[in-house]
Amino acid sequence: DAKTTQPPSMDCAEGRAANLPCNHSTISGNEYVYWYRQIHSQGPQYIIHGLKNNETNEMASLIITEDRKSSTLILPHATLRDTAVYYCIAATSGNTPLVFGKGTRLSVIA
Amino acid sequence: NAGVMQNPRHLVRRRGQEARLRCSPMKGHSHVYWYRQLPEEGLKFMVYLQKENIIDESGMPKERFSAEFPKEGPSILRIQQVVRGDSAAYFCASSPDRVKGYTFGSGTRLTVV
Repeated sequence: DAKTTQPPSMDCAEGRAANLPCNHSTISGNEYVYWYRQIHSQGPQYIIHGLKNNETNEMASLIITEDRKSSTLILPHATLRDTAVYYCIAATSGNTPLVFGKGTRLSVIA
Repeated sequence: NAGVMQNPRHLVRRRGQEARLRCSPMKGHSHVYWYRQLPEEGLKFMVYLQKENIIDESGMPKERFSAEFPKEGPSILRIQQVVRGDSAAYFCASSPDRVKGYTFGSGTRLTVV
C-alpha cells in the first residue's frame, strides 16, 4: 500500500471548515483513499473513502486531485466534538489490512 | 443493528495469567481485524480473520498470542502468560467486504499488574 503523509497537528476555529490534507504521491490506480478518526481513547471511526471522484456524505467531503497524488478531507462546520486524530490511508480492496500511520491531531477551538 | 461488540471493556490480569478478549462483529460482516494500541502510540495491526480462517497474522507476536473466529460465536484474541508490556487497548473491527470501511468496537483495555 502507498505511504501517506499528513501534518502532525492542526487547529481549527469552531464553526469554520476544517481542511485536512494528505499526500499519497505513490498511490497506484487500484488503491482507495480512506479516512478514519479516533476521538480520545475511543475506537476509530470510519469517515469516508474514495477512488477517483470526489465523495460526500453526512460527515465530510473528500476531494481527490486529478492526478490522485493528494487529497483533502473537509469537515464543513467543525465542532468541538470533531477534535480527534484523523488518519488518511491508501489501500487496495484486497485482503491486506489497513495500516494506520500517525495521523493529524485536529484541535477545534472555541 | 448493534455495532461491533467487544467485551470486556476493561480487563485486569496479573502477570502470568491468561487474557481472553471477545469480539462480535456486526451482523452480516464476515471479516474481522484485531489492532493493538499501546499508551500514547498508534494503532498496530495484529491479525485478520474470516470465519474459521486466519487470513493474515503478520502483526501477531510469535509467542503467547493467538486468535480465532469460529463458525459460531465471537472472535477471540487470547494472550497467554501476560506480561506488563501487554497492557494496551485492543480494538476489533469488522467489515462486510474489503472495499467498504471498517466498523470498530469500543475496545478492551487490558491492564497487567
